[in-house]
Amino acid sequence: DAKTTQPPSMDCAEGRAANLPCNHSTISGNEYVYWYRQIHSQGPQYIIHGLKNNETNEMASLIITEDRKSSTLILPHATLRDTAVYYCIVRGVGDDKLIFGTGTRLQVFP
Amino acid sequence: DTGVSQNPRHKITKRGQNVTFRCDPISEHNRLYWYRQTLGQGPEFLTYFQNEAQLEKSRLLSDRFSAERPKGSFSTLEIQRTEQGDSAMYLCASADTDTEAFFGQGTRLTVV
Repeated sequence: DAKTTQPPSMDCAEGRAANLPCNHSTISGNEYVYWYRQIHSQGPQYIIHGLKNNETNEMASLIITEDRKSSTLILPHATLRDTAVYYCIVRGVGDDKLIFGTGTRLQVFP
Repeated sequence: DTGVSQNPRHKITKRGQNVTFRCDPISEHNRLYWYRQTLGQGPEFLTYFQNEAQLEKSRLLSDRFSAERPKGSFSTLEIQRTEQGDSAMYLCASADTDTEAFFGQGTRLTVV
């Protein structure tokens, strides 16, 4: 079963920051937080992952709380093409597979 | 490299028929995964290969399902005696030891 809880849906205005929350209160010390997204009719796409420090790449930023029980994915300037389902996944170092929940459906509107 | 390739993209079959899907992973990726996704749900893990060895199978993978990766490169997923409940998107992903998983576009199966 998925170890994360996400809101089922969110809206965001184009050009604004989209902040997608994720709760993972049972996360273990060696488990990473991964984010993937899935645009309609496509396969999931990797966005970012982190252990305990905040991470940033060309797609997004990942903010992990100090107690590691929750995190936030930030899309700094959302575009219409960011409309997708966003999955937050907890994965251990020895885990070979990703366990997906139902994710957050982000709708970016003009 | 063109990424993970899955064929066919769409398949419509009659109940009771057998179907086979193919996945070509990213070159030299040693790990290959199969997932199934139904409408409104996240992808569900089916099975995983490390090179040619099938290391894990989900309980979702009934006896009618079989997956192979004979030479540690491409993989096939076969469903025998298809049922309407098999209608779903079948996703393949590949990864190297220290990389994230890259997914293909999926094969959408419709059983009529």
